[in-house]
Amino acid sequence: EAGVAQSPRYKIIEKRQSVAFWCNPISGHATLYWYQQILGQGPKLLIQFQNNGVVDDSQLPKDRFSAERLKGVDSTLKIQPAKLEDSAVYLCASSLKTRQGFYNEQFFGPGTRLTVL
Amino acid sequence: AQSVTQLGSHVSVSEGALVLLRCNYSSSVPPYLFWYVQYPNQGLQLLLKYTSAATLVKGINGFEAEFKKSETSFHLTKPSAHMSDAAEYFCAVSGGSNYKLTFGKGTLLTVNP
Repeated sequence: EAGVAQSPRYKIIEKRQSVAFWCNPISGHATLYWYQQILGQGPKLLIQFQNNGVVDDSQLPKDRFSAERLKGVDSTLKIQPAKLEDSAVYLCASSLKTRQGFYNEQFFGPGTRLTVL
Repeated sequence: AQSVTQLGSHVSVSEGALVLLRCNYSSSVPPYLFWYVQYPNQGLQLLLKYTSAATLVKGINGFEAEFKKSETSFHLTKPSAHMSDAAEYFCAVSGGSNYKLTFGKGTLLTVNP
C-alpha cells in the first residue's frame, strides 16, 4: 500500500513570495490533515478536511494561508505572501473517515521543508 | 482544551540502558494518547496508542507506555536501548469529536555506544 505522498520535499523562497505544497493521501482515506512543524516544536494542526469539506481550520492563518481539496482526494496548501516565520516542515497526514466514538490512525507523509529567506 | 508536556527536550542513554521518556497530558475529555517517532527528514511513525483499553500499551520496536490517570501521565519506556532508537519522539493527545491531535514539543533521544 502506497503511503502519503508530498511534493516538493524541499523549497527555498524569499519572503513575500508565494509557495504551494501538494499532498496525495492514502487511497480511500477520507480525512486529510495539514500540520506545521517549526524547528524544536511538535507539529501543529493547520487544517483538517473530511472529503472536500473543512472540519477544522481554527489555527490556519487565513490572511496568508489557504488550502483546498476540491475533489476530496489530493490537496494543496498555499502561502501567499510568505514570511520568515513560515520556515518549517509542512506535514500532510490522512486517515479513514473520522466518526464519533471511533479513532482512526493518522498516517504521515515525509513532509516539505520550507525555508524562507 | 488539551495539551501535552514532554519533560526533557533531550535524553541521552547508553546502548543497552533503559529508555524513559516522560509525557504528561491535560484533557477535558477522556483522552486518547499516542507516541510517535520521527527519524531525520522523515514523517511521523506511530509507536503505540492508548484508546481506553488496557492501561499498559505495547508498541513496535520493543517500546511500551503506561497510562496513569491519577498522574495524568503516559511515559514511554524500553528496557534496552539500541542505536537505531536514536530519533525524536513526540507524545500526543487526542480528544473530542474531531480527534484532533495535539503534540508535545518532542524529546530527542541519543544513544551512545
